[in-house]
Amino acid sequence: DAKTTQPPSMDCAEGRAANLPCNHSTISGNEYVYWYRQIHSQGPQYIIHGLKNNETNEMASLIITEDRKSSTLILPHATLRDTAVYYCIVRIQGAQKLVFGQGTRLTINP
Amino acid sequence: GAVVSQHPSWVICKSGTSVKIECRSLDFQATTMFWYRQFPKQSLMLMATSNEGSKATYEQGVEKDKFLINHASLTLSTLTVTSAHPEDSSFYICSARFGMNYGYTFGSGTRLTVV
Repeated sequence: DAKTTQPPSMDCAEGRAANLPCNHSTISGNEYVYWYRQIHSQGPQYIIHGLKNNETNEMASLIITEDRKSSTLILPHATLRDTAVYYCIVRIQGAQKLVFGQGTRLTINP
Repeated sequence: GAVVSQHPSWVICKSGTSVKIECRSLDFQATTMFWYRQFPKQSLMLMATSNEGSKATYEQGVEKDKFLINHASLTLSTLTVTSAHPEDSSFYICSARFGMNYGYTFGSGTRLTVV
């Protein structure tokens, strides 16, 4: 699976949009981009995933660049409960396992 | 949505004893489940992939005789930490995949403390 690079930490003000970048420059055509988050001492929570088109759900939006070498997770109106570690993961279509990188620790400030 | 139930949420055991952690898929059949461990301030590390009815596949460096995985049914996988030592103290998390192109759902984790 392609390696991902994320900033180790970010801060965002409550009510503002949180934009979390992820670099996956070695991604191949059949690899999906997944985003999960982990709130302290809990299991990871699925946020969103995509292949090449931008995706949106009730939690977030996923913007994938045209060359697919990077993506951005957008939390449109961050709340204090969005404070967590966010993981960007690339997985080959059909592959079983999900391998986590170091993630970005996002802190939402009041 | 797909729910994975993990028990216990925390356990304290003495060195040398064994501890079993259960992972159940509540509303779907999970032919494949995954076990991770996580040390404080670190990311999740995949330990093994558990397939129903067959032997688990362990990641490099994970002792299969120490971390026994059983996936006897489509809704239950168990991880047994045998002859536990203090260095096995960690946060253990299970996960299951539902469908080929959907996401993975995770249990709430088990915090193991070996004293």
